[in-house]
Amino acid sequence: QKEVEQNSGPLSVPEGAIASLNCTYSDRGSQSFFWYRQYSGKSPELIMFIYSNGDKEDGRFTAQLNKASQYVSLLIRDSQPSDSATYLCAVNPGGNNRLAFGKGNQVVVIP
Amino acid sequence: GAVVSQHPSRVICKSGTSVKIECRSLDFQATTMFWYRQFPKQSLMLMATSNEGSKATYEQGVEKDKFLINHASLTLSTLTVTSAHPEDSSFYICSARWGPLNSPLHFGNGTRLTVT
Repeated sequence: QKEVEQNSGPLSVPEGAIASLNCTYSDRGSQSFFWYRQYSGKSPELIMFIYSNGDKEDGRFTAQLNKASQYVSLLIRDSQPSDSATYLCAVNPGGNNRLAFGKGNQVVVIP
Repeated sequence: GAVVSQHPSRVICKSGTSVKIECRSLDFQATTMFWYRQFPKQSLMLMATSNEGSKATYEQGVEKDKFLINHASLTLSTLTVTSAHPEDSSFYICSARWGPLNSPLHFGNGTRLTVT
């Protein structure tokens, strides 16, 4: 079982719509959860982090965490063409020092 | 905010040669840095954890004698790919944490290595 799973394929959304991304993790001891955005050929950049169950909003982004179900999601409201990128979910298994990453979800925002 | 600087951004080398990649934490001290590798259309895979003043911790399957890591100061870690082969061609990214254990990792800009 992979530590972090992002299974859905490329997501195409019209400009202005909501993009919804999901991620599940295997280690119940995980304590910190992150979403990174990665443009093609570039390194990842942090867009959200969440530590507690529930929702956390930052601008057009909302992260949702459900530790009982072991999933974390990301909503992008009012999607813009500049949001077109790969979104990586990251978790620190067992609360330790390293981060494990999912394979990422590609988002394409269509003008 | 925290910044991680990585150099070079791109390198092309011949098979059998060695390449050194530098990772610096700017404006903060990083006792631990992380080296990731990313092949095209795949996710980031942790190669090793670089510890200041001690030996690096390598992930399973990563050859420590091929990927030499030195973390000689609180702001600099280096990764040397020794006797590079075409299959080592990849995107190498370093990262560091500015804050407590549960804080985010900040990434350098990455190094695109091409071995011919």
